[in-house]
Amino acid sequence: AQSVAQPEDQVNVAEGNPLTVKCTYSVSGNPYLFWYVQYPNRGLQFLLKYITGDNLVKGSYGFEAEFNKSQTSFHLKKPSALVSDSALYFCAVRDWGTGFQKLVFGTGTRLLVSP
Amino acid sequence: DGGITQSPKYLFRKEGQNVTLSCEQNLNHDAMYWYRQDPGQGLRLIYYSQIVNDFQKGDIAEGYSVSREKKESFPLTVTSAQKNPTAFYLCASGGNTIYFGEGSWLTVV
Repeated sequence: AQSVAQPEDQVNVAEGNPLTVKCTYSVSGNPYLFWYVQYPNRGLQFLLKYITGDNLVKGSYGFEAEFNKSQTSFHLKKPSALVSDSALYFCAVRDWGTGFQKLVFGTGTRLLVSP
Repeated sequence: DGGITQSPKYLFRKEGQNVTLSCEQNLNHDAMYWYRQDPGQGLRLIYYSQIVNDFQKGDIAEGYSVSREKKESFPLTVTSAQKNPTAFYLCASGGNTIYFGEGSWLTVV
């Protein structure tokens, strides 16, 4: 079965500094990988996805993610963090299972950006 | 506006009661999903539906039921058999990319 792991429960960064939220994956076949963000008491918002092509994927709100096949990683990055980026971030992988596609999520990483 | 609408936002269930969470989408998606979110456990799939009048159990379907009579609608019923229903419930739909509603909080009182 496909799975993703988010090794950090929380990431702290100062505003203006670069941020990285880590995700590693375990899949059979080609991975379809996603990042979502969740603000308090809200649903998940889609940030970006990797299906194929360039290893650097650009997404919403200035976020990008780097796909690394040799390290089986898909880390989320942003060059300059904002206080408003503080939220819960989820990495997910598409699992084809019994022929129907569904998303399998990591446990989430809380990002705290201090002023 | 296009999107996924969940209602109610907050719902309280008494012991022994069944409650139904509504999910409506106007994105013309065939596939719809219900996820449950508990702190520290990420999201877990309850049920999914590929097409009208068809749905499949996910990883934690016990104590839940669904229907898919219309393409736009995928209601979730939390039955009295679900012993620990307090959670945040998320409805989603999509194809290559899956989109989520704003969620519904269910609390047992």
